[in-house]
Amino acid sequence: DTAVSQTPKYLVTQMGNDKSIKCEQNLGHDTMYWYKQDSKKFLKIMFSYNNKELIINETVPNRFSPKSPDKAHLNLHINSLELGDSAVYFCASNDLSGGAYEQYFGPGTRLTVT
Amino acid sequence: EDQVTQSPEALRLQEGESSSLNCSYTVSGLRGLFWYRQDPGKGPEFLFTLYSAGEEKEKERLKATLTKKESFLHITAPKPEDSATYLCAAHLVNDYKLSFGAGTTVTVRA
Repeated sequence: DTAVSQTPKYLVTQMGNDKSIKCEQNLGHDTMYWYKQDSKKFLKIMFSYNNKELIINETVPNRFSPKSPDKAHLNLHINSLELGDSAVYFCASNDLSGGAYEQYFGPGTRLTVT
Repeated sequence: EDQVTQSPEALRLQEGESSSLNCSYTVSGLRGLFWYRQDPGKGPEFLFTLYSAGEEKEKERLKATLTKKESFLHITAPKPEDSATYLCAAHLVNDYKLSFGAGTTVTVRA
């Protein structure tokens, strides 16, 4: 029973390409997040959706666009990929309406831009 | 500026050698302090939430404590399977996000 799943696990692509990463959670949570973890292992929040509404939109290039078709799914589309986009991207979820602030993370998507 | 700092960056322990990791925070209005464990190639795994100074939580060989300015993760008699990166994160009042520290990488040798 995978709680938070991401696809793909690995993504290797060339500069300038457009790619998407998908995330799904089966925990019944109402809020989902995208984080970027760089080579120094620092986790930085990018976006968050609560019941399909964008609630966190950190300073991220507008080449990154999140989309939440429903509260169980959050996708991340990246246009015109650059070398600096290489990182591990994590999806997470929690239940804000239930007052449960601990976030549960997916396994990550390692993006390599060549 | 709100900040979460973890020390040390890396910790090498002999099996059975107890130690502590530190997470200090300079934030206004802490709602909760979270500890996670991250194994190589995997996502962070939730360990504990602490809400108020003086609170303690335990799980197997791990114990987390919280003061008004910092949190400690104590590892008692560690085993090699406790080797991982331990992350702390602060959740602020009137905010949705977690602010993570850079982590402490613990290596336990048999």
